[in-house]
Amino acid sequence: SQTIHQWPATLVQPVGSPLSLECTVEGTSNPNLYWYRQAAGRGLQLLFYSVGIGQISSEVPQNLSASRPQDRQFILSSKKLLLSDSGFYLCAWSPHNTEAFFGQGTRLTVV
Amino acid sequence: AQSVAQPEDQVNVAEGNPLTVKCTYSVSGNPYLFWYVQYPNRGLQFLLKYITGDNLVKGSYGFEAEFNKSQTSFHLKKPSALVSDSALYFCACYSSGNTGKLIFGQGTTLQVKP
Repeated sequence: SQTIHQWPATLVQPVGSPLSLECTVEGTSNPNLYWYRQAAGRGLQLLFYSVGIGQISSEVPQNLSASRPQDRQFILSSKKLLLSDSGFYLCAWSPHNTEAFFGQGTRLTVV
Repeated sequence: AQSVAQPEDQVNVAEGNPLTVKCTYSVSGNPYLFWYVQYPNRGLQFLLKYITGDNLVKGSYGFEAEFNKSQTSFHLKKPSALVSDSALYFCACYSSGNTGKLIFGQGTTLQVKP
């Protein structure tokens, strides 16, 4: 069966520090991969999605970037965090054309 | 542009009463529609989907949703609400023209009172 791993669960980082959040999927190949941010327990903002290795679509201009170095690995990064980057970050995967499955999320607090 | 709207921030119902959580969408091409539920500080759990076929789809925990193409809606329903249904609910959509881009509505908090 397929599983998704997202870590860490919580993270406290100072302003100006770098960020790397990793997400990996097991038990499938060539999945769609997603990064979302959820602010204050409300809506999910699509940050990046990828339909294959080397194919990254960015939805919102921001202080973040994403990479997909392997088929089932999706990394969210920042060179210098801002206070406004705080939030709940969710990784997800889907087989093409059907429902997505989510990781447990990372609570990022920038101080 | 592709969008999903959930017009109600919160829905309050009494336990045992029917519930409806509303969702409308705007896409080019045919929509692929989904409902998810989120409990505090957790990831999202899939409830049900409409891809094609019958307009009424049934999902987990007794939930169902009706796809209405003319009204571009996909409302979530349950005949008899439980207190344990209280959570944050999200509607989501792909377009058949871009099945990589999955976007979500703003979420609706469902509060079921005993």
